[in-house]
Amino acid sequence: GENVEQHPSTLSVQEGDSAVIKCTYSDSASNYFPWYKQELGKGPQLIIDIRSNVGEKKDQRIAVTLNKTAKHFSLHITETQPEDSAVYFCAASSNDMRFGAGTRLTVKP
Amino acid sequence: SQTIHQWPATLVQPVGSPLSLECTVEGTSNPNLYWYRQAAGRGLQLLFYSVGIGQISSEVPQNLSASRPQDRQFILSSKKLLLSDSGFYLCAWSVSSTYEQYFGPGTRLTVT
Repeated sequence: GENVEQHPSTLSVQEGDSAVIKCTYSDSASNYFPWYKQELGKGPQLIIDIRSNVGEKKDQRIAVTLNKTAKHFSLHITETQPEDSAVYFCAASSNDMRFGAGTRLTVKP
Repeated sequence: SQTIHQWPATLVQPVGSPLSLECTVEGTSNPNLYWYRQAAGRGLQLLFYSVGIGQISSEVPQNLSASRPQDRQFILSSKKLLLSDSGFYLCAWSVSSTYEQYFGPGTRLTVT
């Protein structure tokens, strides 16, 4: 089955800096890659996703890139703000969806 | 629009007591439904998923069970809780297994 690894487990940046979270997956048949943001005490919320026929997708300060050959994908957050502080999960899906272990992002004002 | 509800929001139960957590989805038909557990500071562990009424697949053997008595209702149960059952339980739905999952607000369970 699919195995998703996510790095780093924790990330601390200064407000205004960029943050990058990376994930690798094992199943070459995976074709859908969502990213979730989970704030304390709440359920994860989908923030951006990408399908395997696309290499990059942007939504304001958030972007995701996908390298199918290397089987890795990344989340990029630019101009970080304190409200970006949360746990971020990547996931990869072929027949079922598997999640990474999460990255705790702290944006220091 | 679709919404997903979970209750209760928090629950404190003694070891050995039964458990019933409920999840309902509105605004969609025949969704895939999922139960996840999240230990403190950890990732999402898939417990059960269902592709239709009465169809339950278990990912991890444990003292929990799930049922889907109606199309948009998913229930997580236990006959006797263990201390290790403490955690944050999340229900989610999706159109299919290869599409985005939408999570409910979660239930914080503490077994004492």
